[in-house]
Amino acid sequence: DVKVTQSSRYLVKRTGEKVFLECVQDMDHENMFWYRQDPGLGLRLIYFSYDVKMKEKGDIPEGYSVSREKKERFSLILESASTNQTSMYLCASSPIRANSYEQYFGPGTRLTVT
Amino acid sequence: RKEVEQDPGPFNVPEGATVAFNCTYSNSASQSFFWYRQDCRKEPKLLMSVYSSGNEDGRFTAQLNRASQYISLLIRDSKLSDSATYLCVVTLSGSARQLTFGSGTQLTVLP
Repeated sequence: DVKVTQSSRYLVKRTGEKVFLECVQDMDHENMFWYRQDPGLGLRLIYFSYDVKMKEKGDIPEGYSVSREKKERFSLILESASTNQTSMYLCASSPIRANSYEQYFGPGTRLTVT
Repeated sequence: RKEVEQDPGPFNVPEGATVAFNCTYSNSASQSFFWYRQDCRKEPKLLMSVYSSGNEDGRFTAQLNRASQYISLLIRDSKLSDSATYLCVVTLSGSARQLTFGSGTQLTVLP
């Protein structure tokens, strides 16, 4: 059974703080993704990674960075948190497999920036 | 214009009813199509893929109309456990491993 875990379910941070969100998957998947989910806007892709140390910008990378030092771990970093980054953050992973696009999601981290 | 558009609902239907959700996508080069399900306060999970020939899985039927750039999901004999948000998802040409999500349609099945 695929397992994607995220370091926190709920997080409250102050404006200007540096925030780390951690994601770990145990299925040896090559691809990992970070999304944010907001009411009425759906899931929007922030960054993704096809391999260790590889990263590519998604649709809304501004204000975020990522790190993938090990295959199983993908970190999202908010260098200086702002109130408009209050959101639900979802991590996902998927294998590289022909005609397979299923992504497996973690439980999410609800981040509040005050 | 959003790349993937869905009616947000909410759809409130009685148990046993048949309910249909629609989704339109703007990029005619979209390659693959899916429905994901997201329960309240949970993560999205793949419900089913959508093919031009149609795809049926028990009480669920998904259809794709490429000419109209339209995807549908039909749920027959609704159960209380079907209550969730249903997300329409497409992959775009040239970025097969990336998914583009609609904002979801909320369904509540009432006893």
